[in-house]
Amino acid sequence: GAVVSQHPSWVICKSGTSVKIECRSLDFQATTMFWYRQFPKQSLMLMATSNEGSKATYEQGVEKDKFLINHASLTLSTLTVTSAHPEDSSFYICSARTSGRVRSYNEQFFGPGTRLTVL
Amino acid sequence: SQQGEEDPQALSIQEGENATMNCSYKTSINNLQWYRQNSGRGLVHLILIRSNEREKHSGRLRVTLDTSKKSSSLLITASRAADTASYFCATDAAQKLVFGQGTRLTINP
Repeated sequence: GAVVSQHPSWVICKSGTSVKIECRSLDFQATTMFWYRQFPKQSLMLMATSNEGSKATYEQGVEKDKFLINHASLTLSTLTVTSAHPEDSSFYICSARTSGRVRSYNEQFFGPGTRLTVL
Repeated sequence: SQQGEEDPQALSIQEGENATMNCSYKTSINNLQWYRQNSGRGLVHLILIRSNEREKHSGRLRVTLDTSKKSSSLLITASRAADTASYFCATDAAQKLVFGQGTRLTINP
């Protein structure tokens, strides 16, 4: 099956610093990648959708200047949390969607998540 | 924005019993998917049901979909302690997945 990796799996940083999270599709080309955020005991909230080579589309209420998304290639998307604060501490999950398979729907595969703790 | 609403929010049953979780959504969908998540871990895809399907089985899982009521249910039969997890429905529309609030399932030995 298709594999999506995330790096790092966890990160602890000081308030005010920026943190970059990578999401890679290891054995397929992802036409679209998604970034979700999950607070403890809550559901996944879609933050943004990114297509390779174009600007990300952010969901309502998500600050695009705070959460920078770059989808530079068909296998890599990055999320940078700029000037992180304790309230940004969360579990960030990426997913990648492929249209390369012969299916009646586009499959979406999830990464294992990155736990960010901002002190 | 969240589209799916799930109930119950939490469910605790004895091992061997069946567990039923429900999901309601608001807009038209291409398909509906169910995922499992163990505490602090990533998502595990369980089953997908297309909008033109009414019922689907996979092992001990049974999913139903009623598009007229915009609702779905997930039934886990003969539950096991290892089924303890959070379960989420996700609706696929407009080329993206939107997750419901989730049901926290606890199986007591």
